[in-house]
Amino acid sequence: AQTVTQSQPEMSVQEAETVTLSCTYDTSESDYYLFWYKQPPSRQMILVIRQEAYKQQNATENRFSVNFQKAAKSFSLKISDSQLGDAAMYFCAYGTGANSKLTFGKGITLSVRP
Amino acid sequence: SQTIHQWPATLVQPVGSPLSLECTVEGTSNPNLYWYRQAAGRGLQLLFYSVGIGQISSEVPQNLSASRPQDRQFILSSKKLLLSDSGFYLCAWSVVGPPRGSPLHFGNGTRLTVT
Repeated sequence: AQTVTQSQPEMSVQEAETVTLSCTYDTSESDYYLFWYKQPPSRQMILVIRQEAYKQQNATENRFSVNFQKAAKSFSLKISDSQLGDAAMYFCAYGTGANSKLTFGKGITLSVRP
Repeated sequence: SQTIHQWPATLVQPVGSPLSLECTVEGTSNPNLYWYRQAAGRGLQLLFYSVGIGQISSEVPQNLSASRPQDRQFILSSKKLLLSDSGFYLCAWSVVGPPRGSPLHFGNGTRLTVT
Protein backbone atom coordinates (compact mmCIF):
# COMPACT_ATOMS: atom_id res chain seq x y z
CA ALA A 1 0.00 0.00 0.00
CA GLN A 2 1.11 3.50 -0.70
CA THR A 3 2.14 5.60 2.26
CA VAL A 4 2.86 9.29 2.66
CA THR A 5 5.13 10.46 5.46
CA GLN A 6 5.44 13.94 6.85
CA SER A 7 7.94 13.51 9.63
CA GLN A 8 7.93 17.08 10.95
CA PRO A 9 4.74 17.76 12.94
CA GLU A 10 5.46 21.48 13.36
CA MET A 11 7.59 24.18 11.80
CA SER A 12 7.99 27.89 12.29
CA VAL A 13 9.21 30.61 9.94
CA GLN A 14 9.85 34.32 10.22
CA GLU A 15 7.64 36.50 8.06
CA ALA A 16 9.24 37.24 4.65
CA GLU A 17 11.65 34.31 4.93
CA THR A 18 11.63 30.95 3.13
CA VAL A 19 10.58 27.62 4.59
CA THR A 20 10.64 24.09 3.21
CA LEU A 21 8.16 21.41 4.25
CA SER A 22 9.23 17.81 3.73
CA CYS A 23 7.26 14.86 2.42
CA THR A 24 8.26 11.36 1.38
CA TYR A 25 6.12 8.63 -0.10
CA ASP A 26 6.37 4.97 -0.84
CA THR A 27 5.03 3.47 -4.05
CA SER A 28 5.82 0.85 -6.66
CA GLU A 29 3.91 2.75 -9.35
CA SER A 30 5.68 4.72 -12.06
CA ASP A 31 2.74 6.94 -13.02
CA TYR A 32 1.29 8.96 -10.19
CA TYR A 33 0.70 12.50 -9.03
CA LEU A 34 1.37 14.47 -5.90
CA PHE A 35 -0.32 17.40 -4.19
CA TRP A 36 0.14 19.84 -1.39
CA TYR A 37 -2.99 21.07 0.37
CA LYS A 38 -3.30 23.88 2.87
CA GLN A 39 -5.77 23.76 5.77
CA PRO A 40 -6.07 27.12 7.58
CA PRO A 41 -7.87 27.46 10.91
CA SER A 42 -11.17 27.57 9.02
CA ARG A 43 -10.38 23.91 8.13
CA GLN A 44 -11.17 24.48 4.47
CA MET A 45 -8.85 22.30 2.38
CA ILE A 46 -7.18 24.43 -0.29
CA LEU A 47 -5.13 23.03 -3.15
CA VAL A 48 -1.68 24.62 -3.19
CA ILE A 49 0.20 22.80 -5.93
CA ARG A 50 0.12 19.68 -8.10
CA GLN A 51 2.94 17.62 -9.63
CA GLU A 52 2.78 14.80 -12.18
CA ALA A 53 5.41 12.11 -11.66
CA TYR A 54 6.31 11.91 -15.35
CA LYS A 55 7.17 15.61 -15.46
CA GLN A 56 10.75 16.34 -14.45
CA GLN A 57 10.13 20.06 -14.13
CA ASN A 58 9.19 21.13 -10.63
CA ALA A 59 5.77 22.76 -10.32
CA THR A 60 5.50 26.37 -9.18
CA GLU A 61 2.55 28.53 -8.15
CA ASN A 62 3.56 32.08 -7.30
CA ARG A 63 5.45 31.89 -3.97
CA PHE A 64 5.01 28.11 -3.74
CA SER A 65 7.29 25.64 -5.46
CA VAL A 66 8.18 22.00 -5.06
CA ASN A 67 11.37 20.01 -5.12
CA PHE A 68 10.35 16.68 -6.66
CA GLN A 69 12.98 13.97 -6.40
CA LYS A 70 11.41 10.91 -8.01
CA ALA A 71 14.25 8.49 -7.30
CA ALA A 72 14.32 9.48 -3.66
CA LYS A 73 10.49 9.56 -3.50
CA SER A 74 10.63 12.98 -2.01
CA PHE A 75 8.24 15.88 -2.60
CA SER A 76 9.01 18.98 -0.55
CA LEU A 77 7.16 22.30 -0.62
CA LYS A 78 9.05 25.59 -0.54
CA ILE A 79 7.24 28.73 0.52
CA SER A 80 9.08 31.92 -0.35
CA ASP A 81 8.49 35.34 1.21
CA SER A 82 6.32 33.78 3.93
CA GLN A 83 3.23 35.73 4.90
CA LEU A 84 1.09 35.63 8.02
CA GLY A 85 -1.70 34.12 5.95
CA ASP A 86 0.49 31.12 5.19
CA ALA A 87 0.05 29.90 8.76
CA ALA A 88 -1.88 26.65 8.43
CA MET A 89 -1.61 22.90 8.42
CA TYR A 90 -0.12 21.56 5.20
CA PHE A 91 -0.83 18.10 3.86
CA CYS A 92 1.09 16.17 1.27
CA ALA A 93 -1.00 13.75 -0.80
CA TYR A 94 -0.33 10.99 -3.33
CA GLY A 95 -2.64 9.61 -5.99
CA THR A 96 -2.57 7.13 -8.84
CA GLY A 97 -5.10 5.82 -11.31
CA ALA A 98 -8.05 7.60 -12.82
CA ASN A 99 -10.29 7.85 -9.78
CA SER A 100 -8.33 10.52 -7.87
CA LYS A 101 -8.30 8.59 -4.59
CA LEU A 102 -5.67 10.38 -2.58
CA THR A 103 -3.54 9.15 0.30
CA PHE A 104 -2.66 11.94 2.72
CA GLY A 105 0.19 12.41 5.14
CA LYS A 106 -0.49 13.39 8.74
CA GLY A 107 0.20 17.03 8.03
CA ILE A 108 2.55 19.67 9.34
CA THR A 109 1.52 22.76 11.27
CA LEU A 110 3.29 25.86 10.01
CA SER A 111 3.38 29.00 12.12
CA VAL A 112 4.58 32.36 10.81
CA ARG A 113 6.26 34.78 13.21
CA PRO A 114 5.67 38.51 12.58
CA SER B 1 -18.06 27.53 -11.78
CA GLN B 2 -18.26 24.43 -9.63
CA THR B 3 -19.23 24.58 -5.97
CA ILE B 4 -19.64 21.99 -3.27
CA HIS B 5 -22.02 22.29 -0.35
CA GLN B 6 -21.74 20.20 2.77
CA TRP B 7 -23.99 20.29 5.82
CA PRO B 8 -24.39 20.57 8.69
CA ALA B 9 -21.24 22.42 9.72
CA THR B 10 -21.34 21.06 13.26
CA LEU B 11 -23.26 18.26 14.86
CA VAL B 12 -23.45 16.88 18.38
CA GLN B 13 -25.12 13.49 18.63
CA PRO B 14 -25.50 10.95 21.45
CA VAL B 15 -24.06 7.47 21.19
CA GLY B 16 -26.47 5.12 19.47
CA SER B 17 -28.25 7.82 17.48
CA PRO B 18 -28.41 7.83 13.66
CA LEU B 19 -26.34 10.07 11.41
CA SER B 20 -26.89 11.69 8.05
CA LEU B 21 -24.41 14.07 6.47
CA GLU B 22 -25.13 15.43 3.03
CA CYS B 23 -23.01 16.84 0.26
CA THR B 24 -24.02 18.26 -3.11
CA VAL B 25 -21.97 19.50 -6.02
CA GLU B 26 -23.06 22.15 -8.52
CA GLY B 27 -21.70 23.12 -11.90
CA THR B 28 -20.39 19.76 -13.07
CA SER B 29 -21.77 16.43 -14.20
CA ASN B 30 -20.83 12.89 -13.20
CA PRO B 31 -18.14 13.85 -10.71
CA ASN B 32 -16.22 11.39 -8.59
CA LEU B 33 -17.32 11.90 -4.99
CA TYR B 34 -15.49 11.14 -1.76
CA TRP B 35 -15.96 11.10 2.00
CA TYR B 36 -12.87 11.62 4.15
CA ARG B 37 -12.51 11.73 7.93
CA GLN B 38 -9.90 13.74 9.75
CA ALA B 39 -9.21 12.69 13.32
CA ALA B 40 -7.23 14.91 15.67
CA GLY B 41 -3.50 14.76 14.98
CA ARG B 42 -3.95 12.56 11.96
CA GLY B 43 -4.22 13.01 8.24
CA LEU B 44 -7.26 12.48 6.13
CA GLN B 45 -8.59 8.96 5.89
CA LEU B 46 -10.64 7.98 2.84
CA LEU B 47 -13.91 6.39 3.90
CA PHE B 48 -15.91 6.04 0.69
CA TYR B 49 -15.74 7.06 -2.92
CA SER B 50 -18.19 6.90 -5.78
CA VAL B 51 -17.74 7.01 -9.54
CA GLY B 52 -21.46 7.08 -10.35
CA ILE B 53 -25.01 6.85 -9.06
CA GLY B 54 -25.41 3.85 -6.80
CA GLN B 55 -21.72 2.93 -7.11
CA ILE B 56 -20.03 3.09 -3.72
CA SER B 57 -16.63 1.75 -2.74
CA SER B 58 -15.76 1.39 0.92
CA GLU B 59 -12.17 1.85 1.94
CA VAL B 60 -12.40 1.16 5.64
CA PRO B 61 -14.76 -1.34 7.33
CA GLN B 62 -16.67 0.55 9.95
CA ASN B 63 -19.92 1.73 11.39
CA LEU B 64 -20.66 4.07 8.49
CA SER B 65 -22.25 3.76 5.07
CA ALA B 66 -22.56 6.00 2.05
CA SER B 67 -25.10 6.43 -0.70
CA ARG B 68 -25.33 8.36 -3.94
CA PRO B 69 -28.99 8.70 -4.84
CA GLN B 70 -28.39 11.38 -7.47
CA ASP B 71 -25.48 12.28 -9.73
CA ARG B 72 -24.25 15.15 -7.58
CA GLN B 73 -25.46 14.10 -4.15
CA PHE B 74 -23.44 12.06 -1.67
CA ILE B 75 -24.71 11.04 1.75
CA LEU B 76 -22.83 9.61 4.72
CA SER B 77 -24.93 7.68 7.20
CA SER B 78 -24.87 5.59 10.32
CA LYS B 79 -27.63 3.68 12.06
CA LYS B 80 -25.99 3.87 15.48
CA LEU B 81 -23.14 6.24 16.24
CA LEU B 82 -20.14 5.22 18.32
CA LEU B 83 -17.86 7.47 20.33
CA SER B 84 -15.09 6.62 17.88
CA ASP B 85 -17.11 8.18 15.04
CA SER B 86 -16.30 11.64 16.35
CA GLY B 87 -14.16 13.67 13.96
CA PHE B 88 -14.13 16.12 11.11
CA TYR B 89 -15.79 14.80 7.96
CA LEU B 90 -14.96 16.19 4.57
CA CYS B 91 -16.78 15.65 1.31
CA ALA B 92 -14.85 16.14 -1.91
CA TRP B 93 -15.30 15.87 -5.65
CA SER B 94 -13.07 15.54 -8.67
CA VAL B 95 -13.57 15.51 -12.41
CA VAL B 96 -13.47 12.22 -14.22
CA GLY B 97 -10.33 12.18 -16.36
CA PRO B 98 -8.70 13.22 -18.60
CA PRO B 99 -6.60 14.64 -17.32
CA ARG B 100 -5.68 11.89 -14.91
CA GLY B 101 -4.78 12.97 -11.48
CA SER B 102 -7.38 15.69 -11.14
CA PRO B 103 -7.22 17.31 -7.73
CA LEU B 104 -9.87 16.91 -5.07
CA HIS B 105 -12.07 19.89 -4.28
CA PHE B 106 -13.33 19.86 -0.72
CA GLY B 107 -16.41 21.08 1.08
CA ASN B 108 -16.16 23.05 4.30
CA GLY B 109 -16.50 19.94 6.44
CA THR B 110 -18.69 18.77 9.31
CA ARG B 111 -17.42 18.61 12.86
CA LEU B 112 -19.15 15.64 14.48
CA THR B 113 -19.03 15.11 18.23
CA VAL B 114 -20.53 11.93 19.61
CA THR B 115 -21.34 12.22 23.31
